[in-house]
Amino acid sequence: GQQLNQSPQSMFIQEGEDVSMNCTSSSIFNTWLWYKQDPGEGPVLLIALYKAGELTSNGRLTAQFGITRKDSFLNISASIPSDVGIYFCAGRDSSNTGKLIFGQGTTLQVKP
Amino acid sequence: DVKVTQSSRYLVKRTGEKVFLECVQDMDHENMFWYRQDPGLGLRLIYFSYDVKMKEKGDIPEGYSVSREKKERFSLILESASTNQTSMYLCASRPQRLLYGYTFGSGTRLTVV
Repeated sequence: GQQLNQSPQSMFIQEGEDVSMNCTSSSIFNTWLWYKQDPGEGPVLLIALYKAGELTSNGRLTAQFGITRKDSFLNISASIPSDVGIYFCAGRDSSNTGKLIFGQGTTLQVKP
Repeated sequence: DVKVTQSSRYLVKRTGEKVFLECVQDMDHENMFWYRQDPGLGLRLIYFSYDVKMKEKGDIPEGYSVSREKKERFSLILESASTNQTSMYLCASRPQRLLYGYTFGSGTRLTVV
């Protein structure tokens, strides 16, 4: 089945640094989503991307839908301690059922 | 505030026990999902349901079953729990018309000993 490869698996950074993570797929996706999971909570949607080449921002977060439709990246600028958590990319299943396929997650730790 | 509530935050069960994980949503969503979350593997879909009494297998249904007798409630059943089912289980729901409008519960961390 379709798979998403997300990297890096984990990051440990200093407060104020910028962060970049990406997701690649073996097949084309029509939609890319980025979620954040705070410790002890379920994932929450951060950004949704619907069109190849689309660049979308949400505060300090910026995400792009790759031109090939097989990749996406998420940047966080000027990280703060509350950015800690697990970030997941997700793509829409090509069977058109609306099922989401998730990446393995990137665990972010921020040192104050 | 819309909510997906999972009945237990932590559960410890013995090998061979029948385990029920309950999920309730108060948003009148048609679709409900059960995912399993493991480090390095992300979220993997176990089962989903498009409507009452309907269910479809996800990517890893083996060892699990589900029940959806009422629209607001979606139960995940481990018929005979095994240690390799120790994991975090996440329930989610979404309205039929919003393909990406998933709302997740806070999760149930199940340990099978």
